[in-house]
Amino acid sequence: AQSVSQHNHHVILSEAASLELGCNYSYGGTVNLFWYVQYPGQHLQLLLKYFSGDPLVKGIKGFEAEFIKSKFSFNLRKPSVQWSDTAEYFCAVNARDTGTASKLTFGTGTRLQVTL
Amino acid sequence: EPEVTQTPSHQVTQMGQEVILRCVPISNHLYFYWYRQILGQKVEFLVSFYNNEISEKSEIFDDQFSVERPDGSNFTLKIRSTKLEDSAMYFCASRKGGSNYGYTFGSGTRLTVV
Repeated sequence: AQSVSQHNHHVILSEAASLELGCNYSYGGTVNLFWYVQYPGQHLQLLLKYFSGDPLVKGIKGFEAEFIKSKFSFNLRKPSVQWSDTAEYFCAVNARDTGTASKLTFGTGTRLQVTL
Repeated sequence: EPEVTQTPSHQVTQMGQEVILRCVPISNHLYFYWYRQILGQKVEFLVSFYNNEISEKSEIFDDQFSVERPDGSNFTLKIRSTKLEDSAMYFCASRKGGSNYGYTFGSGTRLTVV
């Protein structure tokens, strides 16, 4: 079964600082990778996803992530965070070869707090 | 942009009571899911549903839980006899098809069992 690890549980940054949130997954087969954001009191929103091709994917709101297959990693980055980026960020994976209904498996999330 | 709609947004129920959480997935989506998120914890998979039957369920999804798609549009999660530990945010999600499409999540139902 697949699993996802997010090592940073709580990150505090000042506005304009650069962001990198770590995500590692464990699965022996081919995966699709996702980053979701959850603003306070709201639902999960897709930031970006990787299925295949260029391992550097760009998402909404200036976020990007790089898939490094050899490291089983899919770290999320943003060059300059804004106060409005304060939210919980979840990395997720689904395994392509577990059947057509394959579920998403989430990491424990990273709470990002951006200070002014 | 199409949305997954969940009702109610907040439900308070007494322990032992039955609750039904409702979801209207995106109309041309084929795969449906329920997840839950206990306050401060990660999002956990409960069940996936395809072609009018359960495809996969987690250990959490015991005999107290059931899902159905009664009319081709609604997708419901029923908890027969709620426990305090069922208090959580429940998210419905749907997906169009294949394994390469993204999942669209609803805004969630906050269930509080007292």
